[in-house]
Amino acid sequence: ILNVEQSPQSLHVQEGDSTNFTCSFPSSNFYALHWYRWETAKSPEALFVMTLNGDEKKKGRISATLNTKEGYSYLYIKGSQPEDSATYLCAGGYNKLIFGAGTRLAVHP
Amino acid sequence: DVKVTQSSRYLVKRTGEKVFLECVQDMDHENMFWYRQDPGLGLRLIYFSYDVKMKEKGDIPEGYSVSREKKERFSLILESASTNQTSMYLCASSLHREVDSPLHFGNGTRLTVT
Repeated sequence: ILNVEQSPQSLHVQEGDSTNFTCSFPSSNFYALHWYRWETAKSPEALFVMTLNGDEKKKGRISATLNTKEGYSYLYIKGSQPEDSATYLCAGGYNKLIFGAGTRLAVHP
Repeated sequence: DVKVTQSSRYLVKRTGEKVFLECVQDMDHENMFWYRQDPGLGLRLIYFSYDVKMKEKGDIPEGYSVSREKKERFSLILESASTNQTSMYLCASSLHREVDSPLHFGNGTRLTVT
């Protein structure tokens, strides 16, 4: 079974700070990497799906990169806002997705 | 926008009860999934289905069964609820079978078994 690890477990930042999280996965047996944002009392929402080594995707102030050879993906948030507070999940796999435990981000005004 | 609706946000059941968790999606997705989420762990796949009347075990199917009689509805059944099944349950659907198809999640059902 593919093991997907996320770090840090939790993060507290001030409004306006930029931040990033890591998702690592075994580089063998890989096909796709997903990032989701899960706000409290809401459903997880897909941010990005990436498959190619070197992929970079952007959505507003949030961007992600993928390195399939070394088995990691970074999620960046530029100029964090309180509404960015959420748990960020990554999931990777070949024929099914394995989820990491998530990074809980709190952005303080 | 895809809407995935789970029938209950909170449920409290007694040990030994039979519990049904219902999930409906409105975008004609072929694939549907049930996950559970526990503190400190990633989402774990219980069962999934790629078509009507079709089901496949995920990573933790013990103590659960599923039903998919119609394309839009995927039910998770706890045959005899136990306290270790207290958890957040998330239903999801996806358009394509391939693992690069994004998941669309419901809001979750927080089940407490006493």
